[in-house]
Amino acid sequence: ETGVTQSPTHLIKTRGQQVTLRCSSQSGHNTVSWYQQALGQGPQFIFQYYREEENGRGNFPPRFSGLQFPNYSSELNVNALELDDSALYLCASSLPGSGSTDTQYFGPGTRLTVL
Amino acid sequence: GENVEQHPSTLSVQEGDSAVIKCTYSDSASNYFPWYKQELGKRPQLIIDIRSNVGEKKDQRIAVTLNKTAKHFSLHITETQPEDSAVYFCAASNNAGNMLTFGGGTRLMVKP
Repeated sequence: ETGVTQSPTHLIKTRGQQVTLRCSSQSGHNTVSWYQQALGQGPQFIFQYYREEENGRGNFPPRFSGLQFPNYSSELNVNALELDDSALYLCASSLPGSGSTDTQYFGPGTRLTVL
Repeated sequence: GENVEQHPSTLSVQEGDSAVIKCTYSDSASNYFPWYKQELGKRPQLIIDIRSNVGEKKDQRIAVTLNKTAKHFSLHITETQPEDSAVYFCAASNNAGNMLTFGGGTRLMVKP
């Protein structure tokens, strides 16, 4: 298992609500990427944080936002939840520029259900 | 942007047989190609990756080949075992630490 952790494990919200998901990166990793995985599909890149700054964003609306803290842990916030936001949210940590060890390691994910 | 296509979507093999999963990508700037295995309800786990400066990489029963000219890469699993049953995802990136673009996944079923 990787050292990447996420909380909560599961979450149920209603349409229009807001949600915050959390991710603790593997020790020594300064970069966190967030992905959305709909049922039966591959993960889709939401955005990446590197040293507390957004460092790339996928095709997701502004109601998806994030933060990275000085200890490199990260939050994903989703406002005005829609039914289609129901998915597994995965974070992955990495240490870019470290050569052969700069791969991304995933956390266990947060299963979000929007009713 | 990058587009990754993966085939087949499902693959059923007999225990001991080989399995091959193929992916194509569109962005010639991509230079990093990882493969992840995801069991039901679990996180994607990196099983092998390859960078564009090599054409093949092997780790025990698993191997990956890369053809940069044709923009495709493949995962080969030999002597399959029931515990190899899972969904496998290929991905591509222009840098290992940057955003990964995933294929749609292949559900591999290994029959005892």
